[in-house]
Amino acid sequence: GQNIDQPTEMTATEGAIVQINCTYQTSGFNGLFWYQQHAGEAPTFLSYNVLDGLEEKGRFSSFLSRSKGYSYLLLKELQMKDSASYLCAVSYGSNDYKLSFGAGTTVTVRA
Amino acid sequence: SQTIHQWPATLVQPVGSPLSLECTVEGTSNPNLYWYRQAAGRGLQLLFYSVGIGQISSEVPQNLSASRPQDRQFILSSKKLLLSDSGFYLCAWSSDYEQYFGPGTRLTVT
Repeated sequence: GQNIDQPTEMTATEGAIVQINCTYQTSGFNGLFWYQQHAGEAPTFLSYNVLDGLEEKGRFSSFLSRSKGYSYLLLKELQMKDSASYLCAVSYGSNDYKLSFGAGTTVTVRA
Repeated sequence: SQTIHQWPATLVQPVGSPLSLECTVEGTSNPNLYWYRQAAGRGLQLLFYSVGIGQISSEVPQNLSASRPQDRQFILSSKKLLLSDSGFYLCAWSSDYEQYFGPGTRLTVT
């Protein structure tokens, strides 16, 4: 089975940096996704890590350590529109690419 | 370009009534298709996935069922809804590792 843990809530100030950690235990690991989900909407893709290391994409970066079962999403220069839930998801299985999601971290950005 | 549609967008149904949610994908062939449910304040839970027409795999036991009558059509059904079936239902498709989500259906069972 899959077990994915991430903090429930985080609060940060506009312009600051926030790091959302995710730990996982899974079999048949393919890679790790981060999705952003605004209230009442579908998740949208942020990043996908397969190999160890840091992937940078604009204000968002994602890190993966496969040996430690650990990932983080780094949000820089926070904006009010970044207030959302951030979902850590592990891809597992062959050919069918199933996703197992964490419960999500609600980030609130304050002025 | 590929698009994914779900309907209805919202639904209120009494306990014990049947359910049919539909998902269609355009602009791609032979996609993998997925049904997820998100209960209030919780993460997405994979319910069913399909790698081809008529091929359905269930991840969790429940009173829901899924069917794939056509390559790009995925249907989620129930004969009798329970209160615990309330939630946000999301359909997704993939051709490789990345999944693309539809707009979702918000189901309230009363």
